[in-house]
Amino acid sequence: DTAVSQTPKYLVTQMGNDKSIKCEQNLGHDTMYWYKQDSKKFLKIMFSYNNKELIINETVPNRFSPKSPDKAHLNLHINSLELGDSAVYFCASSQRHSNTEAFFGQGTRLTVV
Amino acid sequence: AQRVTQPEKLLSVFKGAPVELKCNYSYSGSPELFWYVQYSRQRLQLLLRHISRESIKGFTADLNKGETSFHLKKPFAQEEDSAMYYCALKYNFNKFYFGSGTKLNVKP
Repeated sequence: DTAVSQTPKYLVTQMGNDKSIKCEQNLGHDTMYWYKQDSKKFLKIMFSYNNKELIINETVPNRFSPKSPDKAHLNLHINSLELGDSAVYFCASSQRHSNTEAFFGQGTRLTVV
Repeated sequence: AQRVTQPEKLLSVFKGAPVELKCNYSYSGSPELFWYVQYSRQRLQLLLRHISRESIKGFTADLNKGETSFHLKKPFAQEEDSAMYYCALKYNFNKFYFGSGTKLNVKP
């Protein structure tokens, strides 16, 4: 049983396309996140949802739109993909308690050509 | 504002040598700090957290509030320790801020 699962694992697409990445967690956590890891391995928070409510929305182009249908799912939709969007996108989840860690998905490697 | 700084992008050591990965934080509240490890093309996974004061895979980290540091140490590095290491600060109960990461390369 994978705690945090993302699909797809790999995504190759052309510039200008619209794509979605799905994330599901079966840990009963109330908070979910999207992180972007660039080619230099820098890990940057994009969005965070707590109980389906957006709580973090960093400076991200509005071509990126998160959607949380329920607290176990947080999907990421990207419109009009650009070359610079190529990266590994990680979903994560955590529980709103002290000293509990975030659990990460295996990542989605997005390549825009 | 909260911040996590990992000053070294790359750290290369020989097998058997001691290793220290530096992490400094900035946070006005009571910090919760973690170290995560990412092996090649894998997900990030928790290595250890400051509250547990544990040793995992020979690694330890001590929170020094005076120096606002949470450095990761291991007395004898192994080749299998080669990976990316991220220091993370948890704040406001459910927000995580990650440092930029340090790539540890352990040479044979």
